Amino acid sequence: QVQLQESGPGLVKPSQTLSLTCSVSGGSVSSGGYYWSWIRQHPGKGLEWIGYISYRGSTYYNPSLNSRGTISQETSKNQFSLRLSSMTAADTAVYYCARRFPVAGYFDYWGQGILVTVSS
Amino acid sequence: DIQMTQSPSTLSASVGDRVTITCRASQSISSWLAWYQQKQGKAPKLLINKASTLESGVPSRFSGSGSGTEFTLTISSLQPDDFATYYCQQYKAYSYTFGQGTKLEIK
Repeated sequence: QVQLQESGPGLVKPSQTLSLTCSVSGGSVSSGGYYWSWIRQHPGKGLEWIGYISYRGSTYYNPSLNSRGTISQETSKNQFSLRLSSMTAADTAVYYCARRFPVAGYFDYWGQGILVTVSS
Repeated sequence: DIQMTQSPSTLSASVGDRVTITCRASQSISSWLAWYQQKQGKAPKLLINKASTLESGVPSRFSGSGSGTEFTLTISSLQPDDFATYYCQQYKAYSYTFGQGTKLEIK
């Protein structure tokens, strides 16, 4: 059974960079054709896809982030990470990591989510 | 981006009712559509992929249909566990986009 677990700070100051990590168990971030994504949900709102990193390390980001996002992977720890720069109150959200099914774009496994609040 | 619009935003229904949620895409997405269920404080759970393929373990009272720009999620006989928020998601093109959600409430 694949499991994902987000970790990182729950509070970030405006203008700072957010760093989140997703630890994966029951599957490998560097094989199997899977793509590993970050998705966020603003309080009381819908879901916004942030971007992905593939099992081979290629990345794609939602242009709405205006090049503020970076997703990387650490295969030795079976983790992948999100860095989001120049944080503002508008980035306050629950951040989820999720696995994208191979050769398709739906998300079959999700982490439990982590609430990140941007406030001074 | 492809815009996804769900209707209704809120649906009040009773246990045993048959309910249908609609999702419309701003352009054709063929059958590249998924449905998720989200309960309060939890991550979304994948119910259906490719518009009508039920995920393993999902009760058969859930069904999906449609192609092109109009899709539906139907629950044939509501159970207490089904009261949640439902989202559609297109994966025809980047950036993947979700509908705004339909909250299914107990009448």
